[in-house]
Amino acid sequence: KQEVTQIPAALSVPEGENLVLNCSFTDSAIYNLQWFRQDPGKGLTSLLLIQSSQREQTSGRLNASLDKSSGRSTLYIAASQPGDSATYLCAVRRSGDYKLSFGAGTTVTVRA
Amino acid sequence: KAGVTQTPRYLIKTRGQQVTLSCSPISGHRSVSWYQQTPGQGLQFLFEYFSETQRNKGNFPGRFSGRQFSNSRSEMNVSTLELGDSALYLCASSLGTANNSPLHFGNGTRLTVT
Repeated sequence: KQEVTQIPAALSVPEGENLVLNCSFTDSAIYNLQWFRQDPGKGLTSLLLIQSSQREQTSGRLNASLDKSSGRSTLYIAASQPGDSATYLCAVRRSGDYKLSFGAGTTVTVRA
Repeated sequence: KAGVTQTPRYLIKTRGQQVTLSCSPISGHRSVSWYQQTPGQGLQFLFEYFSETQRNKGNFPGRFSGRQFSNSRSEMNVSTLELGDSALYLCASSLGTANNSPLHFGNGTRLTVT
C-alpha cells in the first residue's frame, strides 16, 4: 500500500521568503506525482504534475522536483506572497493503478 | 472552459437517510473519480469511472455507490447514512486515456449527517 507523508504539517513564513514543501512516498513504482493547492472550504487546484520519467517541472514561481528512487518530491515556491497561504497536498499515482494516494498536506501561512 | 461542477454545495441529512451527489466533468473528460475528505482521514479514494464503467474502487462499504452516464456526468449515492459519513466529497475529472493526465477537482459537496 502506498503511504504518502508530508512534512512539516504547518509552516509560517514572512512575505518574500522562499517556501520548501516536502513529500515522501513508500512505493517508488509510480506513474506520476501531482501537487495541489486547497483553499479553506474549496476543492483542489492542480499546480504541477511530474511524470515518473521527469526530474522536475516549473510553472512561474513554482518548481517541483522528483527523485523516484528515494521516494521524494519537493515543491519550491519562490518569493512567497500572502496569497500563497493555503494547504498544499501531494498525490502519487501508482503504476497500473488509477487511484491517487494523497498526503495529509502542509498548511502554509505567509505573513504580510 | 468550464471547470468541474458539483451539486449541491451543501447538504444536511439525518442518520439512516440516503443522499445523491452530482458531478459534471470538464467537457471532453471521460474519467470521473470521487474522494472523501475528512479532518481525521484526509483524502480517501472512493471510486473512478471511465466511459460508464467503474474502473477502480477504494475501501469503502457497499453503502457507497456511483455511476456514470453517457455524457460523462457522474452521481454518487450513499445509503443508510451514518454520522461518520459527514465529510467534504470531491469529484475530479481527467481525460482518462492515459495515466499521466492531471486531475481537475470541483469545489466539493459538504455533507453533514445529524
